[in-house]
Amino acid sequence: QSALTQPASVSGSPGQSITISCTGTSSDVGAYNYVSWYQHYPGKAPKVMIYEVSNRPSGVSNRFSGSKSGNTASLTISGLQAEDEADYYCSSYTSSSTLGVFGGGTKLTVL
Amino acid sequence: EVQLLESGEDLVQPGGSLRLSCAASGFTFSTYAMSWVRQAPGTGLEWVSVISGSGGTTYYADSVKGRFTISRDNSKNTLYLQMNSLRVEDTAVYYCARRVQGQRADYWGQGTLVTVSS
Repeated sequence: QSALTQPASVSGSPGQSITISCTGTSSDVGAYNYVSWYQHYPGKAPKVMIYEVSNRPSGVSNRFSGSKSGNTASLTISGLQAEDEADYYCSSYTSSSTLGVFGGGTKLTVL
Repeated sequence: EVQLLESGEDLVQPGGSLRLSCAASGFTFSTYAMSWVRQAPGTGLEWVSVISGSGGTTYYADSVKGRFTISRDNSKNTLYLQMNSLRVEDTAVYYCARRVQGQRADYWGQGTLVTVSS
């Protein structure tokens, strides 16, 4: 199962908005509303920021939002803060595997 | 509060074996599927294995099938990963994660490092 495609890196200045894309296929992102986004600081436990395309778990800032169009899902972070600097991974339900599929990860740098 | 705590970090020679454990608390362990996810150095996340709440159903990535065995002891709220015939490419941080609907994980542990090297 091929990984979902994410940009290797994105950057933005404090206060700006950035968007991270996650491109899959009609067997995963395009077919199901089970896209999740995880924030991962090195050495720490990954944290769910968005699930089922656009839902935020309790306690996650509303600066984080998710959407999907066709085979591409997106994570948008508005009002960038220094603490947002981390790695972000998308994942999706897939009909091609019983396990699921992750994106390759995107390193967010806050300038 | 949901907590997942992995243990078993070690340096192992190629061909060797290792068992990882994950102690769970803060939820009814037996009612949730559980999973292992790994991250090799410089790479992204990879699903390794999933086990149903009862332990009766298991799934594995092709890369570990036949070498790794996932299991759980619901009386001890503990998840395991028995890793045999380890390869250099199995070197990674291994995360325990609670599995929920949609092939996703909602809670993760902090991970434990497995290094396979001679």
